[in-house]
Amino acid sequence: EIVLTQSPATLSLSPGERATLSCRASQSVSNYLAWYQQKPGQAPRLLIFAAFNRATGIPARFSGSGSGTDFTLTISSLEPEDFAVYYCQQHSNWPPAFGQGTKVEIK
Amino acid sequence: EVQLVESGGGLVQPGGSLRLSCVVSGFTFSDYWMHWVRQVPGKGLVWVSRIDGDGRTTSYADSVKGRFTISRDNAKNTLYLQVNSLRVDDTAVYYCARGTVGRPDYWGQGTLVTVSP
Repeated sequence: EIVLTQSPATLSLSPGERATLSCRASQSVSNYLAWYQQKPGQAPRLLIFAAFNRATGIPARFSGSGSGTDFTLTISSLEPEDFAVYYCQQHSNWPPAFGQGTKVEIK
Repeated sequence: EVQLVESGGGLVQPGGSLRLSCVVSGFTFSDYWMHWVRQVPGKGLVWVSRIDGDGRTTSYADSVKGRFTISRDNAKNTLYLQVNSLRVDDTAVYYCARGTVGRPDYWGQGTLVTVSP
């Protein structure tokens, strides 16, 4: 079973700053890696699929990169609505699995 | 507009059962895999089960295998999760989601299942 480890657990930044979130897989997942955003009391929202493809309606400030075991979600300039928890998810191997999440909070 | 609306959650005693439902609209239901994912409040996301578009192929997490059953009625645009032999650690918000074989894309707002004596 593949384990995804996200870092850091919490990222404290100010609006306008750049956010860099990491997701590391215990074995290669090729590019079968997605990123989700979740705000309090809301369902997750798909941001990125296949490692670097933005989902429908996702702003260009969100970008994904990586392949194999190391992946990054970058938010180029944080907007107030971007403060949330972000999860990575692999669907290369059975069972699909999520990382434990990175909380992006206002500094 | 893609919409998914879950229902059927509630308070149940250990060993009890519930049937969760998810009514969808805004897309051709039978064209998509559907998933159930759960989340203990304040904790992370855990994938529970999935079913293919015609209902013939299903998969379960080991923690729920033999206790939970996923199904769908394409004529009613409805996904189900029958949850039996509930345990305290099944307490969570249960989300239904549309997706590919392994990746959810659109999610419902969830229904809370609380298992408590």
